[in-house]
Amino acid sequence: EAGVTQSPTHLIKTRGQQATLRCSPISGHTSVYWYQQALGLGLQFLLWYDEGEERNRGNFPPRFSGRQFPNYSSELNVNALELEDSALYLCASSLEAGEVAQPQHFGDGTRLSIL
Amino acid sequence: GNSVTQMEGPVTLSEEAFLTINCTYTATGYPSLFWYVQYPGEGLQLLLKATKADDKGSNKGFEATYRKETTSFHLEKGSVQVSDSAVYFCALRGHSGAGSYQLTFGKGTKLSVIP
Repeated sequence: EAGVTQSPTHLIKTRGQQATLRCSPISGHTSVYWYQQALGLGLQFLLWYDEGEERNRGNFPPRFSGRQFPNYSSELNVNALELEDSALYLCASSLEAGEVAQPQHFGDGTRLSIL
Repeated sequence: GNSVTQMEGPVTLSEEAFLTINCTYTATGYPSLFWYVQYPGEGLQLLLKATKADDKGSNKGFEATYRKETTSFHLEKGSVQVSDSAVYFCALRGHSGAGSYQLTFGKGTKLSVIP
């Protein structure tokens, strides 16, 4: 089965611009999670979508937002980009949210670089 | 809230050496526990999981046992190979509350295996 796919692989932006990152979950998975992996900060939870709704968000400002489409794919939008937004953004998907024993499966990420 | 503490590296071992990476956690209830591995330039891959006390997860020669009494989930491998060089993340997923379903990660342990 196809895994989680993310696009683009790399994205270069300048301060103040807006970035859009995309994620397609594994077929049959309804939950999509976004994480930020910044140098020195480890993996930080950003957003969780399930059945088209935002279910939870991490400790990030409102300029980080997203949505989930009817086919369960998802977009992460980052507005007013700042230098510290440079990071690898990872998307993960899992089966229905209530099954906490189910692992999350990750894509290869989008490397966002802010100049 | 939930938290994961794992030994920070880097860890450098010779091929065929024994590996232990310590991981302890803090969580309410009975979380599910995971080890993920990240190879250079890639996303995270699930290595193994355990969903209840005394469960042992295993894969590719790696093992970890869910120890509720010590809130630990240490990763072990009897004989490492050069191909095991990667960053290893311990993670948990809770079972209750709105913030439960995302993963909480440790900071990662970089392993380098030399021939």
